[in-house]
Amino acid sequence: AQSVAQPEDQVNVAEGNPLTVKCTYSVSGNPYLFWYVQYPNRGLQFLLKYITGDNLVKGSYGFEAEFNKSQTSFHLKKPSALVSDSALYFCAVSPRVGAGTALIFGKGTTLSVSS
Amino acid sequence: DVKVTQSSRYLVKRTGEKVFLECVQDMDHENMFWYRQDPGLGLRLIYFSYDVKMKEKGDIPEGYSVSREKKERFSLILESASTNQTSMYLCASSPLSRDRGSPLHFGNGTRLTVT
Repeated sequence: AQSVAQPEDQVNVAEGNPLTVKCTYSVSGNPYLFWYVQYPNRGLQFLLKYITGDNLVKGSYGFEAEFNKSQTSFHLKKPSALVSDSALYFCAVSPRVGAGTALIFGKGTTLSVSS
Repeated sequence: DVKVTQSSRYLVKRTGEKVFLECVQDMDHENMFWYRQDPGLGLRLIYFSYDVKMKEKGDIPEGYSVSREKKERFSLILESASTNQTSMYLCASSPLSRDRGSPLHFGNGTRLTVT
């Protein structure tokens, strides 16, 4: 079965420090991987995606993610965290080809950045 | 920018009521989705649609139905609301694409409480 796992419920980091939010995946075939962010009382916003090519993907708000095929991971990173980055982050995988393109989401990781 | 609008932000209904959650998107997207979001469970797919009058069950369709009479509108129906359907409901849309790389665009969610 296709799935993603986010092993940490919460990540705490001080402002200005680098942050990493972890994601591992299990898919058959080539993985299509996504990161989304959710601010309080809002829907999810797309951050970035990996389909093919360069293993380091750059996205919105200074975030990037590193795809590692051997470790089946797609960790979200940012070199210098901001307090405004505090939010709920979801990793997702697209398992279906063709119509639909529904995503399977991880359980989410709460990122808390302290000043 | 794509706009996905969910008609209600907060809704309180009684057990046994028939509940309609409405979603409209303004970007002529073929695909539309309904997810529910619960703490510790992430997002789970209820139903999706890839064309007018077409629908497919997601992972947790029991107790729900959907309607897509027009391309821009996708309705989620709770035939007889129960307390275990208290949740945040998220609608999303995406364009039809030949691969799985199109990100989903989400509405701000409807928080439904069933008493």
